[in-house]
Amino acid sequence: AQKVTQAQTEISVVEKEDVTLDCVYETRDTTYYLFWYKQPPSGELVFLIRRNSFDEQNEISGRYSWNFQKSTSSFNFTITASQVVDSAVYFCALSEAGNFGNEKLTFGTGTRLTIIP
Amino acid sequence: DVKVTQSSRYLVKRTGEKVFLECVQDMDHENMFWYRQDPGLGLRLIYFSYDVKMKEKGDIPEGYSVSREKKERFSLILESASTNQTSMYLCASSFGGTSGSTDTQYFGPGTRLTVL
Repeated sequence: AQKVTQAQTEISVVEKEDVTLDCVYETRDTTYYLFWYKQPPSGELVFLIRRNSFDEQNEISGRYSWNFQKSTSSFNFTITASQVVDSAVYFCALSEAGNFGNEKLTFGTGTRLTIIP
Repeated sequence: DVKVTQSSRYLVKRTGEKVFLECVQDMDHENMFWYRQDPGLGLRLIYFSYDVKMKEKGDIPEGYSVSREKKERFSLILESASTNQTSMYLCASSFGGTSGSTDTQYFGPGTRLTVL
């Protein structure tokens, strides 16, 4: 069975600091997909990134970066120079390769990030 | 942009009432999903559908049913609401046209349901 662990329940940092959110996953499949979503106070989950298991290149998008390491089954998310608008709950999710209707996501319990002005 | 809408942002119902939560997507997606979100538990899948009139149980289907009569609309039904169904309900959709892959799920704004 697949599992996602986000051990950090809550993190608070001062604005402009860098912060890393940890995500550790478990799966028996060799083909799988990893996701990060952001949930601001408004409640809607906003998609941030999708990564398949064959692509271990790190990704950078503006102030956001992701570090995928298969050796440690981790897919960590770093925000550089944090801003107050980054305050949200962040979810990591895992899916094994879908077969027309089997695309279920398993979510971690989320990390609540608070950026202090 | 993908747009997933849910019929209500907030809903208050009484124990024993039948409750309908509606979800509509405008991107012609094959797959639609219903999750509930509770503090400390993350999101848990209730039901999903990969085609019109098709449905599959998720991890916590007890006490719920679903209906998908049209491709763009997926309804979650609480046959007899109970207080332990007080939660945030999130609908999502994904393309679903690629076997051997997992397409990105796009979420609606959520419905916060309170059962008194």
